[in-house]
Formats: sequence, C-alpha cells, structure tokens
Amino acid sequence: AQSVAQPEDQVNVAEGNPLTVKCTYSVSGNPYLFWYVQYPNRGLQFLLKYITGDNLVKGSYGFEAEFNKSQTSFHLKKPSALVSDSALYFCAVRDTSGTYKYIFGTGTRLKVLA
Amino acid sequence: EAGVAQSPRYKIIEKRQSVAFWCNPISGHATLYWYQQILGQGPKLLIQFQNNGVVDDSQLPKDRFSAERLKGVDSTLKIQPAKLEDSAVYLCASSVSRDRGLETQYFGPGTRLLVL
Repeated sequence: AQSVAQPEDQVNVAEGNPLTVKCTYSVSGNPYLFWYVQYPNRGLQFLLKYITGDNLVKGSYGFEAEFNKSQTSFHLKKPSALVSDSALYFCAVRDTSGTYKYIFGTGTRLKVLA
Repeated sequence: EAGVAQSPRYKIIEKRQSVAFWCNPISGHATLYWYQQILGQGPKLLIQFQNNGVVDDSQLPKDRFSAERLKGVDSTLKIQPAKLEDSAVYLCASSVSRDRGLETQYFGPGTRLLVL
C-alpha cells in the first residue's frame, strides 16, 4: 500500500538559515509527489510537485524539493528561511493506480525564529 | 479567479445531531474532493467526484456520512448522526480533471466542526 512519512513533528530554524523538511514515501510504481503548506485557519496551498524529469523541483515562495529514488525521499528545502515561512507543511503521494487519490503525511510544523 | 468556497466556516453541534457542509469548487473544475483532517493528522480523503459521479468513497463512513454533487458543480457533505470523533476540519478541494494524477488540487479554507 502507498504511504508517506514525515518523521519530524516540528522543525525549528533561525531566520536566514537554510531549512529542510523531510519526507519519505512508499509506492508500488512511479511516485507522484507533492508538497502543500497550511497557514492557520486556512486551507492547504500547493507548493510544488514531482511527476517526472529533473530531480530538483522548484516551487512557490522560493521552495524547492529534491527527489531521491534510491532513498525514496522527497525533502523540501529553502536556502534562506523567513519568519513568514512558519506554517504546517504536508507531503503527499499520489496513488498511480485506480483512483489517483492523495495520501498525505501527518505534517511537519516549521517554526522560523527571528 | 475565485477559489474554492466552503460554508459554514465553523460549526458546533451536540452528538447525535445532524450537520451539512457546502462546497463550491473553482469554475470549470470537474473533480471535487472532500477530506477530513483531524487535529494533528494529515487530510484523509472521504469522497471524490468526477463531475457528478462518485469515483472513490472507500473511506467514507456510509452509515452516517453522505455526499452529493448535483449537476456536477456544488457539493454537500452531511453527517447524521454526528459522533464525538467526527470533530475535525472538513476540507473541500477541486481540480481541473483527474488527469492521471498530474493536476493540482486547490483547497478551500475548510469547515471546523466541533461535536460536543
């Protein structure tokens, strides 16, 4: 069965430092991978996705993610964190058979300290 | 472009009462999703519509939850009767089409339900 894991409940980083939010996945075929961000009292907002091609995917707000097939990982990164990046981040994998439904991770709360 | 609209934003009910949520997807989006997000967890798909047909409702507790999407546009999700464990945020999302998983889902702000 498809699954996605976010091993860290919370990540703290100082403003201006690089940040990484980790995600690993398990699928039977080729993965479709996504990152979403959720601000308080708001719905999820799409950041970026990996379907095929270049392993480094660039997305909104300066975020990027690196697909690593051998490690089955899709970590979210940003070279220089902003306080406004503080939010809840979800990794998701798309089931590539049948209904193509998303399976979401449990989320990682990112806290950027001024 | 208007986003996905949901109402109400908040709802408090007592257990065994019924409740309904409404969703208006982005215009032209054929696929509509309802998710349940319990505090501290990621969203869980309840039901997925393609136009007005159900594509996947495998995780919908059908003894108490129902959903419809008449005319392939707006959708309502109903819970009857509600249980304490139904307390969650109910998210609606839409996408252009179910194009082999390539398209992006756009989420509404959610309805926060508290069952007392």
